[in-house]
Amino acid sequence: EIVLTQSPGTLSLSPGERATLSCRASQSVSSSYLAWYQQKPGQAPRLLIYGASSRATGIPDRFSGSGSGTDFTLTISRLEPEDFAVYYCQQYGSSQITFGQGTRLEIK
Amino acid sequence: QVQLVQSGAEVKKPGASVKVSCKASGYTFTSYGISWVRQAPGQGLEWMGWISAYNGNTNYAQKLQGRVTMTTDTSTSTAYMELRSLRSDDTAVYYCARIEYSGSYSFDYWGQGTLVTVSS
Repeated sequence: EIVLTQSPGTLSLSPGERATLSCRASQSVSSSYLAWYQQKPGQAPRLLIYGASSRATGIPDRFSGSGSGTDFTLTISRLEPEDFAVYYCQQYGSSQITFGQGTRLEIK
Repeated sequence: QVQLVQSGAEVKKPGASVKVSCKASGYTFTSYGISWVRQAPGQGLEWMGWISAYNGNTNYAQKLQGRVTMTTDTSTSTAYMELRSLRSDDTAVYYCARIEYSGSYSFDYWGQGTLVTVSS
């Protein structure tokens, strides 16, 4: 099973700042199979990025994804108040799907 | 518009079984799979498995093999997840999600979640 480790666990930033979230895999992941989700309290997760760098339908262009192999990054260029939430990365490999443990993005 | 509507909250005793439903609308049901993801209180997301709505093929998380069964009813565009031999650590919100398994293996639409509480 591929383990995804997200860092930092919690990120404290102010609106307007840039956020950089990391997702590291225990072994190489195909870029086609790496996704990012946003989850707000009491809500289901929402797909942000798939295929490591493709934005899902309706996702603002301040969200971008990058990376390959074992290191992937989600960047939010200018934080809006509604962006403060928990973010998860997810991968598919060897017929199994795993999620990272999440990064909480909180208002500083 | 794509919608996944799940059945309501359940309270079960340890050792019992639970079956959660997920009714899909707004797309061709058999063109995608349905995956199940759970989230224990205050915890992260855990993938449970998926089922192809096209041919019923399943792929379960190794941890749950033998305790979980996923099925579909294409006549009503509904997916089901049954979990047996429930334990207290199965208490969680259970989500169904549409999975694009011919490409990115990501979950683009989610149900609203079903809280399953296991308590004696």
